[in-house]
Amino acid sequence: KAGVTQTPRYLIKTRGQQVTLSCSPISGHRSVSWYQQTPGQGLQFLFEYFSETQRNKGNFPGRFSGRQFSNSRSEMNVSTLELGDSALYLCASSSDIAGANVLTFGAGSRLTVL
Amino acid sequence: DQQVKQNSPSLSVQEGRISILNCDYTNSMFDYFLWYKKYPAEGPTFLISISSIKDKNEDGRFTVFLNKSAKHLSLHIVPSQPGDSAVYFCAARNFGNEKLTFGTGTRLTIIP
Repeated sequence: KAGVTQTPRYLIKTRGQQVTLSCSPISGHRSVSWYQQTPGQGLQFLFEYFSETQRNKGNFPGRFSGRQFSNSRSEMNVSTLELGDSALYLCASSSDIAGANVLTFGAGSRLTVL
Repeated sequence: DQQVKQNSPSLSVQEGRISILNCDYTNSMFDYFLWYKKYPAEGPTFLISISSIKDKNEDGRFTVFLNKSAKHLSLHIVPSQPGDSAVYFCAARNFGNEKLTFGTGTRLTIIP
């Protein structure tokens, strides 16, 4: 069973640009979540999508947005990039079957903003 | 407001000994707790979890203990092996919510 796939793995952008990151969840998983990891801050929750609807949102500015497609694939977008947006962006999926769900993470997309 | 705290940024343990990683939380609504392990350039990998209705869960060399009154959980690794060297994240969740709240991580180094 293929894992969570994130593309691109690495990218470099400059301030003011925008970026789109992609995530393909494990087959059959309908919930996709995004997290930002920065040194000293751990993993911060961005948002969660389920059946193409945003179900949960973290405390990030509106420059951070996402969407989910009918095949459960998800994208997140960051507009007007700032230096502080440099981070590892992690996508995770789960089956969302009733009960305790375990998130399975992808390897992440490392964004560097210059 | 850091609702999940891992107060030790790093820990070094001799191979074969016990590794104990600690985690504290402040939100009494959390009812499910997880530990993830992360190697460089990889995503976090699920290790073990515990529901708030239990106080201990064991899986091979890994045991998680939950003390609800103290809002504290710990991960015990026995015996520690070199491959256990990684960053360990504690995470917590409210019932029915997929959102995980993570601690800042503890870097565990196993000394051969």
